[in-house]
Amino acid sequence: AQTVTQSQPEMSVQEAETVTLSCTYDTSENNYYLFWYKQPPSRQMILVIRQEAYKQQNATENRFSVNFQKAAKSFSLKISDSQLGDTAMYFCAFMKQSNDMRFGAGTRLTVKP
Amino acid sequence: DTAVSQTPKYLVTQMGNDKSIKCEQNLGHDTMYWYKQDSKKFLKIMFSYNNKELIINETVPNRFSPKSPDKAHLNLHINSLELGDSAVYFCASSQRGSVDEQYFGPGTRLTVT
Repeated sequence: AQTVTQSQPEMSVQEAETVTLSCTYDTSENNYYLFWYKQPPSRQMILVIRQEAYKQQNATENRFSVNFQKAAKSFSLKISDSQLGDTAMYFCAFMKQSNDMRFGAGTRLTVKP
Repeated sequence: DTAVSQTPKYLVTQMGNDKSIKCEQNLGHDTMYWYKQDSKKFLKIMFSYNNKELIINETVPNRFSPKSPDKAHLNLHINSLELGDSAVYFCASSQRGSVDEQYFGPGTRLTVT
C-alpha cells in the first residue's frame, strides 16, 4: 500500500520569507502523480501544485515550487515570499494511475506578520 | 458555477439516527469519491465510484452506504449514527485515467450528539 509521510505537523514563517514543507512517500509504482493541496480555515481543499512522476523537471506555480526527488521518494513544497493568505493546512498526496489518491497527515503552516 | 457541491454543509443529529449527504458534480467527470476528515485533520478515502460502479471500498462500517444514481451524483447514507462518525465528509470527482487532480466539494461537517 502507498503511504505518504509529512514529518512536520506544524510550521511557521515570517511574512515575505521562504518556507519548505517536507513530504516522503512509499510506493512500488513507477508511474504516479503527486500533489500539494491547501486547506485554509474555510476548509475548502484547493490544489496548489501537481507533479507527474515521469517528468524530471520540478513543477512551479508562481510562488510555489516543488523539489521532486524520485529516487529518494521525496516531494517537498517551497513557498517563496510567504503571504498571510498562505496560512493553512497543507496536504501532500500520492495518486496512482487508477486515481486512487492517498494523503499525508498534513502540515499546519502559520504565516506571521 | 459550483463544480462539486454538497448538501448540507452542516448536519447535527443524535446518535442512532439515519442521515444522508448529497453530492453533485457538473464537471463531466466519471469518477467520484467520499473522504472522511477526522478531528486531527487526517483525510482518508472511504469510497470511489466510476460510472456508477464501486471501485474503491476501504474498511468502512457497513452502516455507511454510498449510492450513485448517475455519474454526476454520489450520495452517502449513514445508518445508526455513532459519536465517532462526527467528522467533515468531503466529496470529490475526477476523470479516470487523467492526470488531472481531484476536485473537492466544500465538505459537510457532521456532528453526532
